[in-house]
Amino acid sequence: GAVVSQHPSRVICKSGTSVKIECRSLDFQATTMFWYRQFPKQSLMLMATSNEGSKATYEQGVEKDKFLINHASLTLSTLTVTSAHPEDSSFYICSAIQGVNEQFFGPGTRLTVL
Amino acid sequence: AQSVTQLDSQVPVFEEAPVELRCNYSSSVSVYLFWYVQYPNQGLQLLLKYLSGSTLVKGINGFEAEFNKSKTSFHLRKPSVHISDTAEYFCAVSDRSQNTDKLIFGTGTRLQVFP
Repeated sequence: GAVVSQHPSRVICKSGTSVKIECRSLDFQATTMFWYRQFPKQSLMLMATSNEGSKATYEQGVEKDKFLINHASLTLSTLTVTSAHPEDSSFYICSAIQGVNEQFFGPGTRLTVL
Repeated sequence: AQSVTQLDSQVPVFEEAPVELRCNYSSSVSVYLFWYVQYPNQGLQLLLKYLSGSTLVKGINGFEAEFNKSKTSFHLRKPSVHISDTAEYFCAVSDRSQNTDKLIFGTGTRLQVFP
């Protein structure tokens, strides 16, 4: 089956630094990937749609300069949290589309900003 | 805009008992519906999905769900739960009229299975 990986699984950083999270589709090509954010005991909130070879589409209220998304190839999308602050601490999950109407989700990345 | 309501934030149940997790969505011309399961500190795994056809959908791990268009519901059921079913369950909808694969998630239901 389709597998999506994320790296790193956990990251702790100091306030003010930038953190890059990678999302890879391991055995399929994905022209579209999604990035979600999940707060403790809450649902997934869509942050942005990442399209290979073009700019990402951000959801309302998501700062595009804060959360930089690059979909450089058909198997890799990256999310960079710039100048991270404690309120950016969260669980970030990516997904990739394969076929019709099916998203495959990565295992998530736990970001803790001190 | 489409929205999804999961009426129960937590559902405690004993092992081998039946369970139903409720999901309602806001009215739309046509939707795709999904149930996902999330184990602690992990991503989401698809349990089942409704795209078209039979309103009774069977998924993995013995789960099934029934699409009810008139009630705009897509409740998840399992006739006999196991301890290993303890997890967070999310209902999600994709609006076909938007011609997008975006998913709108419900707030989740924590299923706790006790021995």
